[in-house]
Order: sequence, then structure tokens, then C-alpha cells
Amino acid sequence: AQRVTQPEKLLSVFKGAPVELKCNYSYSGSPELFWYVQYSRQRLQLLLRHISRESIKGFTADLNKGETSFHLKKPFAQEEDSAMYYCALSGYSGNTPLVFGKGTRLSVIA
Amino acid sequence: GAGVSQSPSNKVTEKGKDVELRCDPISGHTALYWYRQRLGQGLEFLIYFQGNSAPDKSGLPSDRFSAERTGESVSTLTIQRTQQEDSAVYLCASSPRFSEKLFFGSGTQLSVL
Repeated sequence: AQRVTQPEKLLSVFKGAPVELKCNYSYSGSPELFWYVQYSRQRLQLLLRHISRESIKGFTADLNKGETSFHLKKPFAQEEDSAMYYCALSGYSGNTPLVFGKGTRLSVIA
Repeated sequence: GAGVSQSPSNKVTEKGKDVELRCDPISGHTALYWYRQRLGQGLEFLIYFQGNSAPDKSGLPSDRFSAERTGESVSTLTIQRTQQEDSAVYLCASSPRFSEKLFFGSGTQLSVL
């Protein structure tokens, strides 16, 4: 079964400080990992996915299959990064739905 | 429309009543998902449709919940005999191909009194 764990419900950091939002997963097959973000009064939207290996809004995430993790990182947090962040997992087989973690609310303090 | 459209945006109902929630996906998107988000909780997968394949209903919490989709267009999520624990935001999302980028609607806030 697929499972995504985000251990922190709330993470508060000061502006300019580094940010790491943790995500661990459980999946027997080959996973595809995503980070979705929901800003205040906006729709949930894709932030990045591991196969793209890209940096979006200064955020990066590396898939670590040994540790089954996909932590989201940013070296210098900005106030506009304050949002709800969800880690999500699906399988390459195409037969599994996208499963989300419970989310972490990031609060960046000025 | 340019995005996924859900209606109504808010629904208040009495315990025991049936409700229907509607989702209009982005035209051409073959996959459609329904999720539930209870207050303070994450997204709970309910059901997804992919093209003409049989839907994956593994996330539906009880037989009071059902969903239909007409071809690759509109979907309706029906909750029968609503209970207070059904109160949540119900989110619909579509994607052009299964497990690709999901586009979310703004959700339906359901309140069961």
C-alpha cells in the first residue's frame, strides 16, 4: 500500500532562514513523488515533481530511495512561501492514484 | 472554462439528506479525481476515473458514497444519508494523463448540520 508521511503539521521559520519540509513514503514499486502547495485563498497546485529535477521558486527536492524520503528544501525562506505544503506519491505502473500526506503548514516570520 | 469547475462552492444540508457535488474537468483531461479534506486534515483520496477504465473506488469511505462520470467530462459525487462526519471540503482534480500534473478545483465546502 502507498503511504506518505509528513511528520510536521506546522513549521515556523524566520525570513532568510533555511527551510526543510520532511516527507517520507512507503511504496513497494517504483515511486513518482510530487510536492503540491496551497497558498492562502488559492487552489492547490503542483510545485514540483522529482522526475523533472527542477527548482521552482527556489525550492528543490531530491528523491532518496534508500531513506524513502523526498524532503523539500529552500536555502532562504521568504514571507510569500507561507502556505500549506503537501507531499504526494503515485506509482509508475499507472494503476495507483495520487496519494497525499497530511500536509505541513509553513509559516515564514518577518 | 480555463480550469476545473466545482459546484456548488458551499452546501449546507441536514443530517440524513442526500447531496450531489459536481465537477467539470478541464476539456481533454482523461483522468479525474475526488478528494476529501476534513478540517485540519490532509487530502483523503476517494475515487478516480481514467478514460474508459473502471474507476478506482478504493478510497470511498462507505457505500453511502458514489460517483459517476460521463465519458471524459462531468463527474458527480453523491453522498446519501449524510452524516455530520461527512462535513469537509470536497476537491476535484483532473489531469491530461494519469499521474501527471493534477489541476484542482476550488472545492465544495459541505456542512452537515
